[in-house]
Amino acid sequence: QQQVKQSPQSLIVQKGGIPIINCAYENTAFDYFPWYQQFPGKGPALLIAIRPDVSEKKEGRFTISFNKSAKQFSLHIMDSQPGDSATYFCAASSNTGNQFYFGTGTSLTVIP
Amino acid sequence: NAGVTQTPKFQVLKTGQSMTLQCAQDMNHEYMSWYRQDPGMGLRLIHYSVGAGITDQGEVPNGYNVSRSTTEDFPLRLLSAAPSQTSVYFCASSYVPEGSIQYFGAGTRLSVL
Repeated sequence: QQQVKQSPQSLIVQKGGIPIINCAYENTAFDYFPWYQQFPGKGPALLIAIRPDVSEKKEGRFTISFNKSAKQFSLHIMDSQPGDSATYFCAASSNTGNQFYFGTGTSLTVIP
Repeated sequence: NAGVTQTPKFQVLKTGQSMTLQCAQDMNHEYMSWYRQDPGMGLRLIHYSVGAGITDQGEVPNGYNVSRSTTEDFPLRLLSAAPSQTSVYFCASSYVPEGSIQYFGAGTRLSVL
């Protein structure tokens, strides 16, 4: 059973566009929601993370929107660039457990 | 500062062979974990450790063993390799399990024939 459901599986946007990646969860004990970025041949690297006490967090061109009542969160990439082409994973964890649960990943391609 | 180092980068095994994937970190992290990454499946947790001498199973532990004799090292052992274990394996470490940055190694690409 997938603890964190991620969509879409792949996404193609033009340079300057705003790709949006969505994730949903069921476990209300989750209280930490990071996003990881992975380039081909590399390990994932933390991009941005949010806790459910805020509805939005921005770091540079990356924004997480969080809807606690709907148990959904999403990643927005403003003014996307070809260098943003990568696979993005959402994840979730709780302070009562020792495990991270990852979504299935979204392959983003930004066309110049 | 090397971060999380995984060896080897690539490995080909025959069905039934055993091997150990190595993982070492130099950040004095207590929490270490192993994931496998398969197309369309994301990252799935195999085993994790919250400190030296303590290990536990994750989501997909069957066919794998781990041990944690030191804070720095967390090897993953395949006891009798099967084609279903063909995957990319990532080791990760962090200060605590929850709420802190997980640092990933570059991965080991394993093929089992």
